[in-house]
Amino acid sequence: ETGVTQTPRHLVMGMTNKKSLKCEQHLGHNAMYWYKQSAKKPLELMFVYNFKEQTENNSVPSRFSPECPNSSHLFLHLHTLQPEDSALYLCASSQVRDRDTEAFFGQGTRLTVV
Amino acid sequence: AQKITQTQPGMFVQEKEAVTLDCTYDTSDQSYGLFWYKQPSSGEMIFLIYQGSYDEQNATEGRYSLNFQKARKSANLVISASQLGDSAMYFCAMRESNTGNQFYFGTGTSLTVIP
Repeated sequence: ETGVTQTPRHLVMGMTNKKSLKCEQHLGHNAMYWYKQSAKKPLELMFVYNFKEQTENNSVPSRFSPECPNSSHLFLHLHTLQPEDSALYLCASSQVRDRDTEAFFGQGTRLTVV
Repeated sequence: AQKITQTQPGMFVQEKEAVTLDCTYDTSDQSYGLFWYKQPSSGEMIFLIYQGSYDEQNATEGRYSLNFQKARKSANLVISASQLGDSAMYFCAMRESNTGNQFYFGTGTSLTVIP
């Protein structure tokens, strides 16, 4: 399998649930990202990891907890979410500090919080 | 200040016609990259084309070309011979050398191709 793979593609969860989103890349990249895309809003950068180390946390509420066990895998752990957290969550990867290379995106997880 | 500005929330184009999607950017960095992505209703962000700040020629990829005007800080996407499958959201993005891992995205333009 190649590219960036996200699972699950769709997720419905209650406000008291705990769930995790998974992202996996097979491109040999060493930077990984989580973005949130709400309806009619621009992409919001949530977290950036370089070589498994978190380098950006864009004022994200603590109910979102990222984990990067290695350069190929990225998780987003979710707990006690709010309905306004319903959105498309996109994972991406790229080469670290190379302005000439694009980010490769997964297909996203459509999250609905009920 | 916004790093990337896309002023056209929605655009319509007749099938087989060309369309230009606007993008302006703001940076004090001398070295940066500009990217365009397409996002169909399925949600995946698909990379279309790249332009480096030091590239003297406009980038082209098939029916996509990038009209790069450095002095104006604009990087407009031109889609020639529009097809129905081009209907999607289009995002302009920038990556700076100084903040190497950050991709700054615009708010996007929704393109509808009319048969």
